[in-house]
Amino acid sequence: TQLLEQSPQFLSIQEGENLTVYCNSSSVFSSLQWYRQEPGEGPVLLVTVVTGGEVKKLKRLTFQFGDARKDSSLHITAAQPGDTGLYLCAGVPNNAGNMLTFGGGTRLMVKP
Amino acid sequence: DAGVIQSPRHEVTEMGQEVTLRCKPISGHNSLFWYRQTMMRGLELLIYFNNNVPIDDSGMPEDRFSAKMPNASFSTLKIQPSEPRDSAVYFCASSSSGVVQYFGPGTRLTVT
Repeated sequence: TQLLEQSPQFLSIQEGENLTVYCNSSSVFSSLQWYRQEPGEGPVLLVTVVTGGEVKKLKRLTFQFGDARKDSSLHITAAQPGDTGLYLCAGVPNNAGNMLTFGGGTRLMVKP
Repeated sequence: DAGVIQSPRHEVTEMGQEVTLRCKPISGHNSLFWYRQTMMRGLELLIYFNNNVPIDDSGMPEDRFSAKMPNASFSTLKIQPSEPRDSAVYFCASSSSGVVQYFGPGTRLTVT
C-alpha cells in the first residue's frame, strides 16, 4: 500500500470535458505537490500547496489541499489534448525532512 | 540554465554487465535524488544526497546498486552486475529549496 493513493489510475475523456483527480493519505503532509509527466520526459512541477484548505489555480487547473493536510485534488476544466500525460502527486510527510513520497499516478488521455 | 542533465538517455545491456548512469544537477542546487520508475511500482526514491553526502539510501534495492557524488556537479548510479529486473527508467532530480525538485529527462535502461 502506497502512502499516497491516487485515483483514478487511468482516465480517458473527450476534449472539453471536466475531470477531477484525487490524492489521498491517512498521514499528514507538510506540503503536497502535483507534477505532470509526458512520455520520454521527467516529471515537471505544476504546483505546491502548503496550507490546509489552500486552493491554487493555474489556468484551467485548480488544485486543493485538504483542511487536514491529508489529501489533495486536481480539477481540470475543459480538458484539451495537450493535458494528456501522467499526473503525480507527491508529498513530504511531517518530520520527513525533504524526501518526497510519490503517489502511483493518474494516466490521463484527452481525445480530440 | 540547462536543467538536470542525464546520460546516457538509453542503455541496452546484457545481464551481468556493469551499468553506470550519470547525472549533472542544476548549478547551485545542493540536494540530488536518484529515482527509478516502472509501470508496476511507479516512481521510487533510491538514494538522496545533500551537499554531496548520502543522507538516505534505504531505497537502494540491494548491494548491486551503488551511488556516488564526488562533487557538487556530478553523480553516478552504478549497477553491478545488472539483471533483467533492473530494467526501468532512472531519473535524477536536484533541488535547492529542499522540497521542489527538478527532474532530468531520465535514462531508459533495458537489461536483456
